[in-house]
Amino acid sequence: NAGVTQTPKFRVLKTGQSMTLLCAQDMNHEYMYWYRQDPGMGLRLIHYSVGEGTTAKGEVPDGYNVSRLKKQNFLLGLESAAPSQTSVYFCASTEYGGAETEAFFGQGTRLTVV
Amino acid sequence: GEDVEQSLFLSVREGDSSVINCTYTDSSSTYLYWYKQEPGAGLQLLTYIFSNMDMKQDQRLTVLLNKKDKHLSLRIADTQTGDSAIYFCAESKGGGADGLTFGKGTHLIIQP
Repeated sequence: NAGVTQTPKFRVLKTGQSMTLLCAQDMNHEYMYWYRQDPGMGLRLIHYSVGEGTTAKGEVPDGYNVSRLKKQNFLLGLESAAPSQTSVYFCASTEYGGAETEAFFGQGTRLTVV
Repeated sequence: GEDVEQSLFLSVREGDSSVINCTYTDSSSTYLYWYKQEPGAGLQLLTYIFSNMDMKQDQRLTVLLNKKDKHLSLRIADTQTGDSAIYFCAESKGGGADGLTFGKGTHLIIQP
């Protein structure tokens, strides 16, 4: 059972470079999320999607863009990476948006911007 | 202030009970969760409690909820080395579409 898969697992970028993080889920979940995790902090929501073709801003959306062209994939883009975006990024999905639904997380992408 | 607060570290001896505490501010939260993150891994749901419950027990895990004080705790009985991880408290904001609000996480350290 693959669940939620993130690629790549590690990446080092130079300031100003762009990249896309891919999240794929095979559970037919409607909702998908991108979080960032920084040392000593909880997870903060960047963007989320409530279904194919939809996206919405979370708590810390600046500097990121997302797309959900296919239900199973949720892409997170950095157009011009900054050192402040050095973080561990987690993708998650839920079957639907109810409060009782379990969130399934990917293993994370460790991004360093130098 | 923070929506969800936890202490950052807890150190216990192997075999003892661990109690991880969490306070939250959103009284409309319908579900409260405990997630476990092992080193280098993503978060995994450990247990959750519905807001109309006071307690939930699942094998070595006991969750206590004091809704009046907005206080949630996770007790791990007979703590083992495999319990070493970061434990995140999280609350839902009702609809769930905007995801969960997480605390900063409590790093559980097991002493031999």
